[in-house]
Amino acid sequence: EAQVTQNPRYLITVTGKKLTVTCSQNMNHEYMSWYRQDPGLGLRQIYYSMNVEVTDKGDVPEGYKVSRKEKRNFPLILESPSPNQTSLYFCASSSGTSGGAGHSDTQYFGPGTRLTVL
Amino acid sequence: AQSVAQPEDQVNVAEGNPLTVKCTYSVSGNPYLFWYVQYPNRGLQFLLKYITGDNLVKGSYGFEAEFNKSQTSFHLKKPSALVSDSALYFCAVRERSKQAGTALIFGKGTTLSVSS
Repeated sequence: EAQVTQNPRYLITVTGKKLTVTCSQNMNHEYMSWYRQDPGLGLRQIYYSMNVEVTDKGDVPEGYKVSRKEKRNFPLILESPSPNQTSLYFCASSSGTSGGAGHSDTQYFGPGTRLTVL
Repeated sequence: AQSVAQPEDQVNVAEGNPLTVKCTYSVSGNPYLFWYVQYPNRGLQFLLKYITGDNLVKGSYGFEAEFNKSQTSFHLKKPSALVSDSALYFCAVRERSKQAGTALIFGKGTTLSVSS
């Protein structure tokens, strides 16, 4: 089954304790992205990756890191989490990276990771 | 700058009645437009998208949306609502001329509640 998986699904942690949220897709997609969802704000992009070893900042990258060493995986790293990073996080992937039709491609989302930073 | 507005936080409709969830967008060029649905404790699921061509787009679960360029709108519709349609709906836009990788810009979401 084609899917995007995230782990963990729920995480409660404390301020300053480094954590990683994993994301993996089995569709051989080039493009992967992380969003955070906050009430009344919709989804906002944190980072994205056009392909292996190619990453770039989205709209709200502060306090986050990512890496793309393999095509299927795109982990989100919080080096020193703070309470304002309490949110629902979604990983997404799509097949297109070039201009034109490529970025009309549908993004497929993971189930979400609910993070609470105390 | 690109933006999406979903003017209603919540839409209430009785089962069997038609439903409309409104979306308007702002881009400097031509848009790609998407609708996603989020069920409780689930990720976002793709419903439909407009790329080009016919302004009426049909998608999953009997939903459709009409692209109206003059009104910069992309309202989601369904002729007969089901209780199981109750969920959070997001409209999203990406400007065609933007480079690949540019984020989808999401609206704040509209909660649809269908009563039996």
